[in-house]
Amino acid sequence: GQNIDQPTEMTATEGAIVQINCTYQTSGFNGLFWYQQHAGEAPTFLSYNVLDGLEEKGRFSSFLSRSKGYSYLLLKELQMKDSASYLCAALNSNYQLIWGAGTKLIIKP
Amino acid sequence: IAGITQAPTSQILAAGRRMTLRCTQDMRHNAMYWYRQDLGLGLRLIHYSNTAGTTGKGEVPDGYSVSRANTDDFPLTLASAVPSQTSVYFCASSPAGGGKGLDEQFFGPGTRLTVL
Repeated sequence: GQNIDQPTEMTATEGAIVQINCTYQTSGFNGLFWYQQHAGEAPTFLSYNVLDGLEEKGRFSSFLSRSKGYSYLLLKELQMKDSASYLCAALNSNYQLIWGAGTKLIIKP
Repeated sequence: IAGITQAPTSQILAAGRRMTLRCTQDMRHNAMYWYRQDLGLGLRLIHYSNTAGTTGKGEVPDGYSVSRANTDDFPLTLASAVPSQTSVYFCASSPAGGGKGLDEQFFGPGTRLTVL
């Protein structure tokens, strides 16, 4: 079957760094997406990885290891507005996104 | 303002009733998608369309139908609603669709549907 695993909830402190992990098992693989979703709102795109390695975009970075079926999203210099759910999604061989249930990130002052 | 809109914002529906959720995008994207999001579960794809005139089934298509008569509109119909269809429904669109590498999906604001 196809499966995406990520922690249900994480807590971090404002100004700190947090890493949200994601493991995936899909029928074929064509890339890994991260989306941010604030409560009651729509998901918005954060990053896309298809090759192994780290992609950096401002305070956010995303890493992929295809051989391990593993990705993480790294958030630096946390701000209160980063409190949201972070969704990991893998693109399978049919180019359909398989989504994780999301990690709710709580930022404390 | 360019983007993707959905209507209604929320709806309470009696079981057995027919309901159409509307979705319109003005970004001239080729591909469109319907997802449902339930607490504790990831987004699940209901139906998709890679281009106007074509549709496909996603992970959970039963009880739902779609049409794609033109580029902009992608309505989702529940022929006879059941309580298990209570969910938040998101419509999304992407520029390319059909397996063309990075193809970011843009989401509408969602429709919260309750079936009693």
